[in-house]
Amino acid sequence: DGGITQSPKYLFRKEGQNVTLSCEQNLNHDAMYWYRQDPGQGLRLIYYSQIVNDFQKGDIAEGYSVSREKKESFPLTVTSAQKNPTAFYLCASSIRRDEQFFGPGTRLTVL
Amino acid sequence: GIQVEQSPPDLILQEGANSTLRCNFSDSVNNLQWFHQNPWGQLINLFYIPSGTKQNGRLSATTVATERYSLLYISSSQTTDSGVYFCAVGINFGNEKLTFGTGTRLTIIP
Repeated sequence: DGGITQSPKYLFRKEGQNVTLSCEQNLNHDAMYWYRQDPGQGLRLIYYSQIVNDFQKGDIAEGYSVSREKKESFPLTVTSAQKNPTAFYLCASSIRRDEQFFGPGTRLTVL
Repeated sequence: GIQVEQSPPDLILQEGANSTLRCNFSDSVNNLQWFHQNPWGQLINLFYIPSGTKQNGRLSATTVATERYSLLYISSSQTTDSGVYFCAVGINFGNEKLTFGTGTRLTIIP
């Protein structure tokens, strides 16, 4: 089955720790994206990547880092510099400039 | 940046009723998508509709790009239609991101 997978589904982090969220797609899409959703809000873009070994900051990149070493994978690291990391994180992919498709999301809670 | 406004913010309807959700945007777009977010948070693609009209079963959508708005129609509502509906737009010239509205929360009562 083609699709986008994210893991873990739920993640708990202690203050001061870095955590990495996984996103994998087997749709052969060039572009991948990370969004953040806070309760009662729409999604906001953190980072995106149009091709392997290249990525761009979105609107709220501070405190986050990404890598794109493989076309299929776009992991997101939430660093200790992110002041309010508790949120729902969604990964998406698309053929460039086309319809975006989303994974099931990861809920991150800081304890 | 581009602004996206959705209305109404909340909508409560009896099962079987029809509804119209609206999305206004402040600039020309080359991408417009409608999503349904289910109770588990999954975003389900409903329509990719930067312009024109599309229909899929009980759902249809129309985007009038020159007037900068899009409408999502849901006919004969079912309880499974409950959830949050998002409109998201993308603009031209290398900006790949989608800008989301704050959504319409639809509740269908049996």
